[in-house]
Amino acid sequence: EVQLVESGGGLVQPGRSLRLSCTASGFTFGDYAMSWVRQAPGKGLEWVGFIRSKAYGGTTEYAASVKGRFTISRDDSKSIAYLQMNSLKTEDTAVYYCTRDLYSSGWSEYFQHWGQGTLVTVSS
Amino acid sequence: EIVMTQSPATLSVSPGERATLSCRASQSVSSNLAWYQQKPGQAPRLLIYGASTRATGIPARFSGSGSGTEFTLTISSLQSEDFAVYYCQQYNNWPPEVTFGPGTKVDIK
Repeated sequence: EVQLVESGGGLVQPGRSLRLSCTASGFTFGDYAMSWVRQAPGKGLEWVGFIRSKAYGGTTEYAASVKGRFTISRDDSKSIAYLQMNSLKTEDTAVYYCTRDLYSSGWSEYFQHWGQGTLVTVSS
Repeated sequence: EIVMTQSPATLSVSPGERATLSCRASQSVSSNLAWYQQKPGQAPRLLIYGASTRATGIPARFSGSGSGTEFTLTISSLQSEDFAVYYCQQYNNWPPEVTFGPGTKVDIK
């Protein structure tokens, strides 16, 4: 069974940093791109970005709203994906979901598996 | 950026009735479209991908159609567990981007 467990959320002041982790199990982690999707309280879903598998270069892509501030990385030996969030803004307050794609391709296409999410609150 | 719109924002339906949800893309996304269901306090669940293929374990009462810029999710006979928010989502390979629609809430009439 595929499982994704996010951790690392919490309350952080504007301008500070936070790192989220997504620990995966139940599949060959290194074969899949991993994505982050967020949801502000009471709002819709927003794609944050993804990291390709090593087979596709392990490169990353980001939404314009977080580009230059957020960094996604992965440790295939530990089956963990990370989301490093710097220069946080109040508008980054959201539940952050880790997701795994339907296909083991080099792209973020369809999100078949989701974690339970971790809440990040940016407030002074 | 490709912008996704959904209509209606809220759909009130009686159990057993048919529900039709619409999703429109600001430019063609071919068939690179998915539908998700989200219930309060839960993560979204993939229902449909490739515009019309049901994901594993999704009941046959859910169906998707469309291509290009106009898409539809149909729930043929609403069950109590189907009352939720539904999102459409497109992906584009170049430039790489993923966008979601704002959602349609299906509630009990």
